[in-house]
Amino acid sequence: NAGVTQTPKFRVLKTGQSMTLLCAQDMNHEYMYWYRQDPGMGLRLIHYSVGEGTTAKGEVPDGYNVSRLKKQNFLLGLESAAPSQTSVYFCASRHPDSLGNTIYFGEGSWLTVV
Amino acid sequence: AQSVTQLGSHVSVSEGALVLLRCNYSSSVPPYLFWYVQYPNQGLQLLLKYTSAATLVKGINGFEAEFKKSETSFHLTKPSAHMSDAAEYFCAVSLFATNKLIFGTGTLLAVQP
Repeated sequence: NAGVTQTPKFRVLKTGQSMTLLCAQDMNHEYMYWYRQDPGMGLRLIHYSVGEGTTAKGEVPDGYNVSRLKKQNFLLGLESAAPSQTSVYFCASRHPDSLGNTIYFGEGSWLTVV
Repeated sequence: AQSVTQLGSHVSVSEGALVLLRCNYSSSVPPYLFWYVQYPNQGLQLLLKYTSAATLVKGINGFEAEFKKSETSFHLTKPSAHMSDAAEYFCAVSLFATNKLIFGTGTLLAVQP
């Protein structure tokens, strides 16, 4: 059972380049999230989705775009990468029946922008 | 807006000593509260969660947390620390009528032999 899978795991980008992080979940969850983790700042929500075809902004959405064309996939895009986007990115998913339901995380994607 | 505050970004205890990691939340309505653990270079793993049932919640690896509404706290404890408990711990809050899970800034637990 794969759970939440993120690709790629590591990536180095030059300033101004674009890239897409892919998140895939096989648990049929409606809700999916993208967080970034930076030292001393915990996890901050970038964007999230409550179902196929829907997206919404989180705490730190600037510089990122997302798409949820298929229920199982949630893509995070950086159109023009900046050094400030160097971070560890985590995707997560959850079933919507109860907000007390556990949220499941991927193993992270380490992105460095030089 | 709801938020969580974790007091102490670094906590160090001796092996066998009590572990106490502090979390306070701000919310005008009863929240759902979670503790997650993150080992180096890994994702987050759920330790325990409070969803308005029992106020004392038991989790994995011997951890437990008590919801105290009067103090708006949800502190994480473990009676006896083990070396394998060294990790970063995150408190998180989720509110009814929102779909978001908001995290604290984390507490890095070191366990000394």
